[in-house]
Amino acid sequence: GENVEQHPSTLSVQEGDSAVIKCTYSDSASNYFPWYKQELGKRPQLIIDIRSNVGEKKDQRIAVTLNKTAKHFSLHITETQPEDSAVYFCAASGRYSTLTFGKGTMLLVSP
Amino acid sequence: DTGVSQDPRHKITKRGQNVTFRCDPISEHNRLYWYRQTLGQGPEFLTYFQNEAQLEKSRLLSDRFSAERPKGSFSTLEIQRTEQGDSAMYLCASSPTSGGLDTGELFFGEGSRLTVL
Repeated sequence: GENVEQHPSTLSVQEGDSAVIKCTYSDSASNYFPWYKQELGKRPQLIIDIRSNVGEKKDQRIAVTLNKTAKHFSLHITETQPEDSAVYFCAASGRYSTLTFGKGTMLLVSP
Repeated sequence: DTGVSQDPRHKITKRGQNVTFRCDPISEHNRLYWYRQTLGQGPEFLTYFQNEAQLEKSRLLSDRFSAERPKGSFSTLEIQRTEQGDSAMYLCASSPTSGGLDTGELFFGEGSRLTVL
């Protein structure tokens, strides 16, 4: 089955800095790579996703890049704000679109 | 609120008891998923329905776990003879399709937190 590794497990940045979270996956058949944000005690919510026919996607301060050859993808957040503090999960699709999630990255943005 | 709803939000039970969780997906979503999340971990896939058909079950899902979606709308997840290791947040999610194709995006409920004493 699919295996998703996510690094780092925690990331502390100053407000205004950039943050980068990286994930690798094992199943070359995976073709959908979403990122979810989960605030403390809340449900995971999709913030951006990318499909395997695209190498990069951007939405305001958030961007995701995908390297299918190397089987890794990354989340980039620019101009971080305190409200970006949360746990971020990467995921990769399997059969029937069942997602395999990474273990998460706790992002702390200090004012 | 037209999002995914789960009930109960919290359940405390003694080891050996049975528990049942209910999930009401977004009405037009025909795909429904159950995930389990423990502290410091990402959600782990348990099982998946398309309409009333259960199409995939994780190897993590022991025989004590059973899920149903009898009319293709709400779903229930039952855990029999609960063990302390079953303590976790049980997340339900539903997914829309576009033009008959799965979009992939999961809309999660708030979860049902199970504590087994």
